[in-house]
Amino acid sequence: AQSVSQHNHHVILSEAASLELGCNYSYGGTVNLFWYVQYPGQHLQLLLKYFSGDPLVKGIKGFEAEFIKSKFSFNLRKPSVQWSDTAEYFCAHAGGYNKLIFGAGTRLAVHP
Amino acid sequence: ETGVTQSPTHLIKTRGQQVTLRCSSQSGHNTVSWYQQALGQGPQFIFQYYREEENGRGNFPPRFSGLQFPNYSSELNVNALELDDSALYLCASSLVGRRGGNEQYFGPGTRLTVT
Repeated sequence: AQSVSQHNHHVILSEAASLELGCNYSYGGTVNLFWYVQYPGQHLQLLLKYFSGDPLVKGIKGFEAEFIKSKFSFNLRKPSVQWSDTAEYFCAHAGGYNKLIFGAGTRLAVHP
Repeated sequence: ETGVTQSPTHLIKTRGQQVTLRCSSQSGHNTVSWYQQALGQGPQFIFQYYREEENGRGNFPPRFSGLQFPNYSSELNVNALELDDSALYLCASSLVGRRGGNEQYFGPGTRLTVT
């Protein structure tokens, strides 16, 4: 069965620190990968997506992700985090029927 | 804001009861998907509706059912509620057929508590 795994469940950083959240997916077919963010009390929002082309994808709010096919990975990065980046981050892969398969999520807390 | 709305925001039901959750898709979208997000977990796919028909289903029992209406709004019905059905229920709309149409836009969710 298709699955998505996120390596870190909780991450705590200080402002200006660099961020990298790991994500691995199991499906070996067509790749449709996403990172979503859920700020406290808000709905899931799309940060970035990868379907094909340049494996380095830039998203909103300074986030980027790199698709590495050989490692089945799609890690999320940000060079310098801000307190406002405190949120839960979900990696997802689109499987059959256009359904999204989500990882368990990573809770990021950024301290001033 | 994504343009996807859900009602109600919160709901408390008793085990064995039935519940209906509602979703209004983003304008121009023709597909709606429903997800269940239990506490501390990622969303789990329940099913998807396209052109008013079920178009894929996750690992959920038949007591989870749905409808999609001609205006692309949707309902999720859950019969014989169990305690484990307590979760945040998310609706997501998308436009199938458009390049990159897997991009889904989520509503704020309905928090269901079963006691």
